[in-house]
Amino acid sequence: QQQVKQSPQSLIVQKGGISIINCAYENTAFDYFPWYQQFPGKGPALLIAIRPDVSEKKEGRFTISFNKSAKQFSLHIMDSQPGDSATYFCAAWTGNTGKLIFGQGTTLQVKP
Amino acid sequence: GAGVSQTPSNKVTEKGKYVELRCDPISGHTALYWYRQSLGQGPEFLIYFQGTGAADDSGLPNDRFFAVRPEGSVSTLKIQRTERGDSAVYLCASSLSLQETQYFGPGTRLLVL
Repeated sequence: QQQVKQSPQSLIVQKGGISIINCAYENTAFDYFPWYQQFPGKGPALLIAIRPDVSEKKEGRFTISFNKSAKQFSLHIMDSQPGDSATYFCAAWTGNTGKLIFGQGTTLQVKP
Repeated sequence: GAGVSQTPSNKVTEKGKYVELRCDPISGHTALYWYRQSLGQGPEFLIYFQGTGAADDSGLPNDRFFAVRPEGSVSTLKIQRTERGDSAVYLCASSLSLQETQYFGPGTRLLVL
């Protein structure tokens, strides 16, 4: 059972544009929602995370928007750069389990 | 400081063979996790340890898979009678404690021929 659904599967954005990746979840017990960035041949690296008591969190060019009633959250990358080209995963967990449930990933290509 | 390390980085084996994959977590991290990532997919949870004990092994696909962490630091994922469907990247992560950020290693790419 897929508990976190991610879209789109792939995304092409021009340099300087905004990249938007969306995720939806089913389990209302989830209480932590991180986004990971993965480059080819590397492990996922934490980018930014949010808890459901906050509707938005911004760190530099990266923003998470969170809609608890709709059970959806999204990643916005402002002023996208070629170096942002990577695969992005949303994830969720319930704090007492320790196991992250990942979305299927979005491959982002930022064209110069 | 050093991150999570995994060895070997690549492993090619034949169907039916036994393999061991090693994970060295970040020093001081009490929680350790194993995930499996198939091509084009997100990581899937296998097992996690809090200290030496397996706190949740519900993600292990079957009894051919086993993991240990005897001294609460290094962990080994063991796969018996490997099958072609076991081919994937096996990721290890560690965190300071259960509710802290998980830091991932680079993974071991397993190919079963």
